[in-house]
Amino acid sequence: DGGITQSPKYLFRKEGQNVTLSCEQNLNHDAMYWYRQDPGQGLRLIYYSQIVNDFQKGDIAEGYSVSREKKESFPLTVTSAQKNPTAFYLCASSMGEVQPQHFGDGTRLSIL
Amino acid sequence: AQRVTQPEKLLSVFKGAPVELKCNYSYSGSPELFWYVQYSRQRLQLLLRHISRESIKGFTADLNKGETSFHLKKPFAQEEDSAMYYCALFSSNTGKLIFGQGTTLQVKP
Repeated sequence: DGGITQSPKYLFRKEGQNVTLSCEQNLNHDAMYWYRQDPGQGLRLIYYSQIVNDFQKGDIAEGYSVSREKKESFPLTVTSAQKNPTAFYLCASSMGEVQPQHFGDGTRLSIL
Repeated sequence: AQRVTQPEKLLSVFKGAPVELKCNYSYSGSPELFWYVQYSRQRLQLLLRHISRESIKGFTADLNKGETSFHLKKPFAQEEDSAMYYCALFSSNTGKLIFGQGTTLQVKP
């Protein structure tokens, strides 16, 4: 039914490797977000973007990078600087910052 | 500090029993609060927000500014209510949604 699509569903990273998680939305939402979900810690904000070509660091941005070149796309790169990348990553979008967020199915990243 | 606290990691009740999932917040301004739910093998989705004053799937949540709480309640739990529930606070200072740690609700037959 569309909405937000995250890919891949599962991703494995080797030591020293950068990996990129894809997030695409067809909801025409201005705002997009990346969260990290760890057991017992809820959702923690990595990066967010309120508008194309602009983004801000969230609470745990170290070791991650993003870009927002198109309204519908907000890819997240997990760099080798992120020492504990194993987690479930969720992408979300909303009409505006105070509007309800719509979430994707998530990507589970593991270390080889 | 802006914070959302859900004190229970797991809440287990029998079908038909009342349910209350607790949420307390710390915020200096006028809060915008949400409850999100994640059913097994489904996406995280909005359940309700306090400004709507709606009842969704029999759940209600009342903002109590005096106690800084936004507890989620349902008078009679159903097995299909079993899920992970997150309380969230929108911070207008930062433009960010702050999530609690989540509570797993288990409704037993």
